This record gives sequence, structure tokens and C-alpha cells, in this order.
Amino acid sequence: DQQVKQNSPSLSVQEGRISILNCDYTNSMFDYFLWYKKYPAEGPTFLISISSIKDKNEDGRFTVFLNKSAKHLSLHIVPSQPGDSAVYFCAAAPTGGGADGLTFGKGTHLIIQP
Amino acid sequence: KAGVTQTPRYLIKTRGQQVTLSCSPISGHRSVSWYQQTPGQGLQFLFEYFSETQRNKGNFPGRFSGRQFSNSRSEMNVSTLELGDSALYLCASVTQPSGRGSTDTQYFGPGTRLTVL
Repeated sequence: DQQVKQNSPSLSVQEGRISILNCDYTNSMFDYFLWYKKYPAEGPTFLISISSIKDKNEDGRFTVFLNKSAKHLSLHIVPSQPGDSAVYFCAAAPTGGGADGLTFGKGTHLIIQP
Repeated sequence: KAGVTQTPRYLIKTRGQQVTLSCSPISGHRSVSWYQQTPGQGLQFLFEYFSETQRNKGNFPGRFSGRQFSNSRSEMNVSTLELGDSALYLCASVTQPSGRGSTDTQYFGPGTRLTVL
């Protein structure tokens, strides 16, 4: 049973436009969420995170939105650049009473087209 | 500061063999976690070590094991390899786990690509 779901295996966006990557979770114990970016032949790189006490966190071109009632988060990249082409993983961790490591989604392959 | 290093980068084994993968965390990081990445299952947590002790374990069979040394370096071992063990094995390090679930930023190594024939 997947606790973190990224329902879009791939997403194609034109350069300069906004990229929106979505992630849903089922475990209500999760209260900390992270996005990682992964290039081929490299390990995932931390991008941005959000705690459940917030509904938005922004870092440059990257903004993560959290909707706790819907158990949904999204990553917005604006404007999208060619170097953003990568696989993006959503990850979640629970409150201090649980969590055996991070739980990851299966990833969304973002392709930025010129 | 050097990043997380993993050796070897690529490995080919046959079914039934065993394999040992190595991970050296970032200097000063004492917690090491291992993950398996496959196209079908994505990134899945294997186990986490801190101060030479396994703190957490994911849902993997006993063929998957690991250990951590006093210098925080970690190894994972897979015995009796199966075709389905072909995957990218990633190691991540963090300064120290916060609570039972680490929410500190984990830094990942490049991974070891294991192919089982």
C-alpha cells in the first residue's frame, strides 16, 4: 500500500512556463514533507521541505504548497528552466513517534522543452 | 567538504551470489540510511544506522542486512541474490537522527547500480 503517491510518472512543460508536480499521501502521521530532485546516475538532491504547521514554503523559483485536509502537496517551479529536467521525488516523514526513514513517492519525470 | 561516497558504482552478480556495498558518509555525519530504487517501486527505505546500531528497518527480507563501523562508514549485504534485487542502492547520511524519524536533510550518495543476472 503506497503511502506517498505521485500519480504522474512524467510531465512535459515548456521552458519559461510553470511546472506543477503533485503528491498525495495517506498516512495522517506524516507531518514533514520534502522534495528531492534526481538526475540520472546521481543520488537525489534535497530541494525544499515543508512542515505541517505551514501551508506554503518558498525558495527562489521553488514553492511547495501543503493542503493537510486533502493530504496533498505540490511543488511549483516558475519559471521552468532546461536544467530543471529531472526526476522529482516527494518524501514524507512522521511525527517523532514513528517513521522508519523517509517514505518516498515513485517520482515524476519532469521534461522541460525549449 | 566531501559528499557521501559509495563503492562500487556498478556491480554485476548472478543469482544466488552475495554482495557487499559500502558507504562513507559526509565527515561528521553519524547516521546512515540505505534505500533501494527500482523503476516499479521507486525509492524504498531499507534501514538506518546510528552509532553502530540499527535504529530502523524497512520492509525487506532478512537477506538484506547491514552494519555500521565506529568511523560511521556503513556496509550493506545482500545474500542469495535474486533477479528482483537488481536496483540502484542509495546511501544517505545526516548529522544525527532527530527523534525516531529523521527529518534532517539527508545527503545522498550517487548510488551503486547492482545488476543480477
